[in-house]
Amino acid sequence: NAGVTQTPKFRVLKTGQSMTLLCAQDMNHEYMYWYRQDPGMGLRLIHYSVGEGTTAKGEVPDGYNVSRLKKQNFLLGLESAAPSQTSVYFCATFHSYNEQFFGPGTRLTVL
Amino acid sequence: RKEVEQDPGPFNVPEGATVAFNCTYSNSASQSFFWYRQDCRKEPKLLMSVYSSGNEDGRFTAQLNRASQYISLLIRDSKLSDSATYLCVETPGYSSASKIIFGSGTRLSIRP
Repeated sequence: NAGVTQTPKFRVLKTGQSMTLLCAQDMNHEYMYWYRQDPGMGLRLIHYSVGEGTTAKGEVPDGYNVSRLKKQNFLLGLESAAPSQTSVYFCATFHSYNEQFFGPGTRLTVL
Repeated sequence: RKEVEQDPGPFNVPEGATVAFNCTYSNSASQSFFWYRQDCRKEPKLLMSVYSSGNEDGRFTAQLNRASQYISLLIRDSKLSDSATYLCVETPGYSSASKIIFGSGTRLSIRP
């Protein structure tokens, strides 16, 4: 089992460019999350999904969109990247009163 | 006030020492608590759950104090490999899984 995978691992964008981050899981978990992590800020929730076809806003959703067309995939889109979106992005899944499983992260730099 | 607060550290202790750090939370209705470990430039991984009765796993002990609304992590006989950032996590419950709250982390550095 691969668990939670993220694509790509690294990316450099210019301001105004767009991109999509892909999160894939093979654990059949219903809940999926996108977080960003900045130095000294901890993990902040961008968007989450409680099941296929559903999405909801988290703490810092502005500038991002998401889609969950298939249960195993959760996509995070940046339509017009800004330097403030330079961060490490983590995807995670959640199953019950238990742990979250995280992907390895995507390191994004916006110039 | 932040929902989950941790001392950012760094805690710099010699190998073999015992180190402890706390995490305070503001939601008295929170159901579950966890400690995660995050190595530099890696994803967080579950270290241990925190139960009201306390939880021990080898050199690690986690405690929950609901009256004072804090959880603690104690590491005995610390190893160089314990150097990492430790994240405190609060979960209201499965029905509110969107409200999983992470602390900013406490950095621990073990020196030889």
